[in-house]
Amino acid sequence: EAGVVQSPRYKIIEKKQPVAFWCNPISGHNTLYWYLQNLGQGPELLIRYENEEAVDDSQLPKDRFSAERLKGVDSTLKIQPAELGDSAVYLCASSPGDRVSYEQYFGPGTRLTVT
Amino acid sequence: GNSVTQMEGPVTLSEEAFLTINCTYTATGYPSLFWYVQYPGEGLQLLLKATKADDKGSNKGFEATYRKETTSFHLEKGSVQVSDSAVYFCALSYPTGANNLFFGTGTRLTVIP
Repeated sequence: EAGVVQSPRYKIIEKKQPVAFWCNPISGHNTLYWYLQNLGQGPELLIRYENEEAVDDSQLPKDRFSAERLKGVDSTLKIQPAELGDSAVYLCASSPGDRVSYEQYFGPGTRLTVT
Repeated sequence: GNSVTQMEGPVTLSEEAFLTINCTYTATGYPSLFWYVQYPGEGLQLLLKATKADDKGSNKGFEATYRKETTSFHLEKGSVQVSDSAVYFCALSYPTGANNLFFGTGTRLTVIP
């Protein structure tokens, strides 16, 4: 079974430029998460989807961040415009459902560097 | 609010040494507790979990016991191997509703032959 796929793995952009990250969850997983991981820190939740609905986006900085999950499968996280402080690893995870009994499976992440 | 405090690293041990990584938590109610591991170049993987007080999670020789009285979930392994070198994250999630994870800062373990 294929795991969670993320692309690109690495991205370097200049500040004020837009950037997008893509995530393909494990087949059949209804719940999808985007996390932000700063250097030396643990991941922090940005947004959680149940199928195509964003059910928890309270931690997403909506002035510059946006996300979508069309057809309840793949998801895209976008930053526009990027700032220096956005340099971090962006992780995508999926699970069969949103209950504690379901394990979250993480992708390898996209490392963003903003110069 | 919910938070996790983890022992700071890095931790360097010789092969076959005993490992303890401390983790304490603050939460309303009774969360579920997790240890995740991140091997070099790979995504986070669930190592073990416990969903109620006094539960013991175990996997690959690692163990952790959910201690409500001390709000702790310390990770232990009796004899570490070089292949255990990784970053270990303690995490909690709400007991009800969504399975949103709150992570500690991570502890980097290096095991030398």
